[in-house]
Amino acid sequence: QSVLTQPPSASGTPGQRVTISCSGSSSNIGTNYVYWYQQLPGTAPKVLIYRNNERPSGVPDRFSGSKSGTSASLAISGLRSEDEADYYCAAWDDSLSGVVFGGGTKLTVL
Amino acid sequence: EVQVMESGGGLVQPGGSLRLSCAASGFTFSSYAMSWVRQAPGKGLEWVSAITGSGGSTYYADSVKGRFTISRDSSKNTLYLQMNSLRAEDTAVYYCAKERDYSSPRGWLDPWGQGTLVTVSS
Repeated sequence: QSVLTQPPSASGTPGQRVTISCSGSSSNIGTNYVYWYQQLPGTAPKVLIYRNNERPSGVPDRFSGSKSGTSASLAISGLRSEDEADYYCAAWDDSLSGVVFGGGTKLTVL
Repeated sequence: EVQVMESGGGLVQPGGSLRLSCAASGFTFSSYAMSWVRQAPGKGLEWVSAITGSGGSTYYADSVKGRFTISRDSSKNTLYLQMNSLRAEDTAVYYCAKERDYSSPRGWLDPWGQGTLVTVSS
């Protein structure tokens, strides 16, 4: 049981917009930054969104993040086949004194 | 180029010990926190442990507290994870990751290594 809650799966067709939610609590998302990671099959995770809504250089602007209260979301617009991957949210948890991850969302491009 | 690379994984019997290493390059090692994150086969990411840039503070997931010890050697630019009393449920790929912009852990992990597989089985 993960501290941060994500839907286990999401899907969309090419060109569509999909969103992935991440629900936490006041000790993690409510007071700390949220980070999103993309893990392509057979590879190590890489950061997709940092500090709630910022994109590292090289990440397409099709990816965007937002946060409100104790929840966050990742939006992917103009869905492409290469976006098929697992997506994880993460945040520091003040009560646990550790990094907490969501359970991950497997995105399928139909 | 900022890089981290894990080593030391392998097959170990339940109750045994193993030490993982993570060699860092391309940045001032002592300025950044480092973390270990694991992924059991077919499962999601689980944060395991972190250490501040100075090495003065360490943090552990409840699942490994008292069994695993994180440490760092700035003279060798190397991060370690000493794993004792290993259990079958510790079987996973273990990733080393650099905290992108902080000397204390915050969850902004970049880059990650390629991972090293630890298998606990008799």
